[in-house]
Amino acid sequence: NAGVTQTPKFRILKIGQSMTLQCAQDMNHNYMYWYRQDPGMGLKLIYYSVGAGITDKGEVPNGYNVSRSTTEDFPLRLELAAPSQTSVYFCASRPPLFIQGSGGYTFGSGTRLTVV
Amino acid sequence: GDSVTQMEGPVTLSEEAFLTINCTYTATGYPSLFWYVQYPGEGLQLLLKATKADDKGSNKGFEATYRKETTSFHLEKGSVQVSDSAVYFCALTLNSGGSNYKLTFGKGTLLTVNP
Repeated sequence: NAGVTQTPKFRILKIGQSMTLQCAQDMNHNYMYWYRQDPGMGLKLIYYSVGAGITDKGEVPNGYNVSRSTTEDFPLRLELAAPSQTSVYFCASRPPLFIQGSGGYTFGSGTRLTVV
Repeated sequence: GDSVTQMEGPVTLSEEAFLTINCTYTATGYPSLFWYVQYPGEGLQLLLKATKADDKGSNKGFEATYRKETTSFHLEKGSVQVSDSAVYFCALTLNSGGSNYKLTFGKGTLLTVNP
């Protein structure tokens, strides 16, 4: 099924460890986004990409890095994990134009990360 | 900057009750408005959307009308079911490529419907 695939679904990290959250979409969407969801805070944008080779910071980029070497993949890297990065992470994608009648955005099912 | 303010939760209703979740927004440009729903343990799903003033989005018995004069997009349902229990997010995106179509979310409203 076409969509956004995130792996892993769950992960526990120790403080100071690093990891990469994977995100892949098979819809040929140009735009991709990483959000984090904290209880009672809604979703905050971490990083986004408007196409392969182009990335930019969102509201809360500190402690994270991204790359976009292909249209399909948009991994999120955590270096030196901290307890403040305990959250649920969602990847999303959308096509380049707002297509009337379409839902626009497609979200992955999320990665629940705990840093201890 | 752009922002979305939605009703604080949690909201608890009995089955078949009427639901309203308020949402207001501020935007630097002309936004499209969305309601997303998140069921327990799942990702976000688009519930409905509206792209211009006075548009009404509707889906699964839920409705919301884009009111430019009051900068609002309140979610309503006439008769809720237990299966509607979820977190509801109001969101906006600006209708310009320069915005890179980023979504700005409200904090979410947890709805619990009891039988």
